[in-house]
Amino acid sequence: DVKVTQSSRYLVKRTGEKVFLECVQDMDHENMFWYRQDPGLGLRLIYFSYDVKMKEKGDIPEGYSVSREKKERFSLILESASTNQTSMYLCATSLGQKNTEAFFGQGTRLTVV
Amino acid sequence: QQPVQSPQAVILREGEDAVINCSSSKALYSVHWYRQKHGEAPVFLMILLKGGEQKGHEKISASFNEKKQQSSLYLTASQLSYSGTYFCGTGGVNYGGSQGNLIFGKGTKLSVKP
Repeated sequence: DVKVTQSSRYLVKRTGEKVFLECVQDMDHENMFWYRQDPGLGLRLIYFSYDVKMKEKGDIPEGYSVSREKKERFSLILESASTNQTSMYLCATSLGQKNTEAFFGQGTRLTVV
Repeated sequence: QQPVQSPQAVILREGEDAVINCSSSKALYSVHWYRQKHGEAPVFLMILLKGGEQKGHEKISASFNEKKQQSSLYLTASQLSYSGTYFCGTGGVNYGGSQGNLIFGKGTKLSVKP
């Protein structure tokens, strides 16, 4: 089974802090995604990576950056956390560029106070 | 950018049928369907590819109209376990230079009552 592990289930940070959300997968998938989930807004794509060091902006990249130095790890960085970044963050992976199914991590509930 | 799903919510009795629609303003290479139960991660149901290929769930069917850039998910003889939020995801051709991207709609909340 594919395993997508997010480093924390719950996280509380202060406004202005630099926050790292980590995602690790064990199936050698090329594609990795970071989504943000808010009530009524669905899953909104923040960033997408299709290879090591390769990334594309999604629909809401403002205030976020990402890092993918190794194939299995995709990090989401909040340079200076703000209260409007309080949300559920979901990492997902998929195989290659053939639009195969995505596998999701359990999510990180981030609260910025 | 997000595909548009309808309806936003639907309530069914066990055994009833439902249809969830998904449409996009962008050309589509594929349409994915996922279900998310409360407090859990989304789980893959089905993928429909340009050209007619389908992969996924045995008891749930879907259609993909490439010309209209629309897909529909058909839930027949619904069971209590079908309750959850359904998301469609669209993969665009050469979105940002790659084909692997996946954009989701806002979701359709399905509640099945006894």
